[in-house]
Amino acid sequence: DTAVSQTPKYLVTQMGNDKSIKCEQNLGHDTMYWYKQDSKKFLKIMFSYNNKELIINETVPNRFSPKSPDKAHLNLHINSLELGDSAVYFCASSQGWRTLGEQYFGPGTRLTVT
Amino acid sequence: DAKTTQPNSMESNEEEPVHLPCNHSTISGTDYIHWYRQLPSQGPEYVIHGLTSNVNNRMASLAIAEDRKSSTLILHRATLRDAAVYYCTLYSGAGSYQLTFGKGTKLSVIP
Repeated sequence: DTAVSQTPKYLVTQMGNDKSIKCEQNLGHDTMYWYKQDSKKFLKIMFSYNNKELIINETVPNRFSPKSPDKAHLNLHINSLELGDSAVYFCASSQGWRTLGEQYFGPGTRLTVT
Repeated sequence: DAKTTQPNSMESNEEEPVHLPCNHSTISGTDYIHWYRQLPSQGPEYVIHGLTSNVNNRMASLAIAEDRKSSTLILHRATLRDAAVYYCTLYSGAGSYQLTFGKGTKLSVIP
């Protein structure tokens, strides 16, 4: 069983469109994250949710909106996509966040905006 | 704004030990040192973490300098599967509560 899964794996879309990426974890963790890895391979955190509550909200455009329907899911919705949004987006989860142990990452979603 | 410094790349022969260094001279007392690795086209994978004392697990060992301004990830016997980008990251246990990733070290393993 995949611990952290993301769909879709690849997403190609045009500028101006709205798209969503879904993430699910079956580890029973209470904290989930979204990271962005750009073309230079820098990995930066975007958001973190603990028990459906937003705890980290980095400086990202408000076109990006995370939604956590329950603690096993954290989806990422992106409005009005721009060329600069092209990147690989990783979802991750962990048990707890104040004392962080191991984060489990999903396989990534490669978003290409044309 | 990464708080860690690592060599861009390193090479190792298969079956040999590998010592991957990391400098974190501005580390604070509440920062944990975490190591992750990323294989091509995969998500990062946890390797090990520690605060002050050296740590061992089934994957690797982490040696932390006494002043905590540097650390070394030790792979005891490199295999081809260990070829990856290794990230030394700091986790702030007070305040920002987030992992900050740097550029990482690309490890190549020579058969």
